[in-house]
Amino acid sequence: EVHLLESGEGLVQPGGSLRLSCAASGFSFSSHAMTWVRQAPGKGLEWLSLISHDGADTYYANSVKGRFTISRDNSKNTLYLQMSSLRAEDTAIYYCAKEDSAHRFDPWGQGTLVTVSS
Amino acid sequence: QTVVTQEPSFSVSPGGTVTLTCGLSAGSVSTSNYPSWYQQTPGQAPRTLIYSTNTRSSGVPDRFSGSILGNKAALTITGAQADDESDYYCALYVGLGIWVFGGGTKLTVL
Repeated sequence: EVHLLESGEGLVQPGGSLRLSCAASGFSFSSHAMTWVRQAPGKGLEWLSLISHDGADTYYANSVKGRFTISRDNSKNTLYLQMSSLRAEDTAIYYCAKEDSAHRFDPWGQGTLVTVSS
Repeated sequence: QTVVTQEPSFSVSPGGTVTLTCGLSAGSVSTSNYPSWYQQTPGQAPRTLIYSTNTRSSGVPDRFSGSILGNKAALTITGAQADDESDYYCALYVGLGIWVFGGGTKLTVL
């Protein structure tokens, strides 16, 4: 069964940093691009970043460019999101998802909560 | 900054048909935007319904269908059921590796 499990949930002060992880299982992780999407409380989904299957190419939404870094370790079947210079508006549930060759985000992890507050 | 537009809310009667749309702030949606649709109920992760404009994801009932209508992507629910009451999000590929989600449509079945 294809499964994604995010971790790294936490409370961080404004200006701080946090790293999220997404452990993948049940599929050939190194063959697929991966993405991060977030959802602020009571708000809609926001696409954040995508990384190619081999990590060579990365893409970011303007809202996080320069502050967030997506990476992956294919030997560990794990995706990462390094977040820095965090702001209150970064408070959200963060989801990872696989992007397949049909340009579908599926499956999704269950999400991990990041709270930015003093 | 590309904006993807969706109706904030919609209502449909049980058994009725509803079409939700997904547009671009500048320009028309085409199959090259690989429109996809996701359903989300409170407290749950999104579930993929439709991808690449009109392909149903595995296990999705055939009452859900996707298309391009005019200059927008569309999700049509035919024979709406009570458990279709959810938030629906579209996502569009806008080029250069960038995806954008719409603001979502809250669908009420009553």
